[in-house]
Amino acid sequence: GESVGLHLPTLSVQEGDNSIINCAYSNSASDYFIWYKQESGKGPQFIIDIRSNMDKRQGQRVTVLLNKTVKHLSLQIAATQPGDSAVYFCAEIPSGYSTLTFGKGTMLLVSP
Amino acid sequence: DTGVSQDPRHKITKRGQNVTFRCDPISEHNRLYWYRQTLGQGPEFLTYFQNEAQLEKSRLLSDRFSAERPKGSFSTLEIQRTEQGDSAMYLCASSSRGGEELFFGEGSRLTVL
Repeated sequence: GESVGLHLPTLSVQEGDNSIINCAYSNSASDYFIWYKQESGKGPQFIIDIRSNMDKRQGQRVTVLLNKTVKHLSLQIAATQPGDSAVYFCAEIPSGYSTLTFGKGTMLLVSP
Repeated sequence: DTGVSQDPRHKITKRGQNVTFRCDPISEHNRLYWYRQTLGQGPEFLTYFQNEAQLEKSRLLSDRFSAERPKGSFSTLEIQRTEQGDSAMYLCASSSRGGEELFFGEGSRLTVL
């Protein structure tokens, strides 16, 4: 099937490893951030979100870290599984706006 | 299935033809968004509705593009006089009142020959 991963940064890991995907955002006024997972041929799927008044949030096997000083967001996936293979996008909503702006994606490839 | 549904999933058309995509959001969601995604890129915002009102349009939305949400439920996105550069995945998403999490559909892939 068609891949959304062309020309994307790629992170290759072994099953069971921890993965860290990074994102630099540009708008210091953004106050809400979301990580989405997109599998080939499908729409983006919500993973986890974080507000700008937090620096860390944990979900099931995933953790998002926010460093507002350097405008950096990261997604940590624990015990990565082959089903985690996908393209991951960070997205932000600037304060006062209602629409998400997506960053460039990162392709995660998990080998069994 | 109570997710966002889009139709058709795939459309191949010749340059110059008109195409229309339909989106049915999650039923209790009052906000509906259209995004466009090309290979290797993140989704780009096109427009969004709150109920039947179109509240924001991107500069990406040329005058060949028109979106409607006549009854505040489903929405259509029409592209007139298609060009090869319109080839992309058109994604629809919805969110609830006051909600910021967008729920995306599977997208409608357009190929203009």
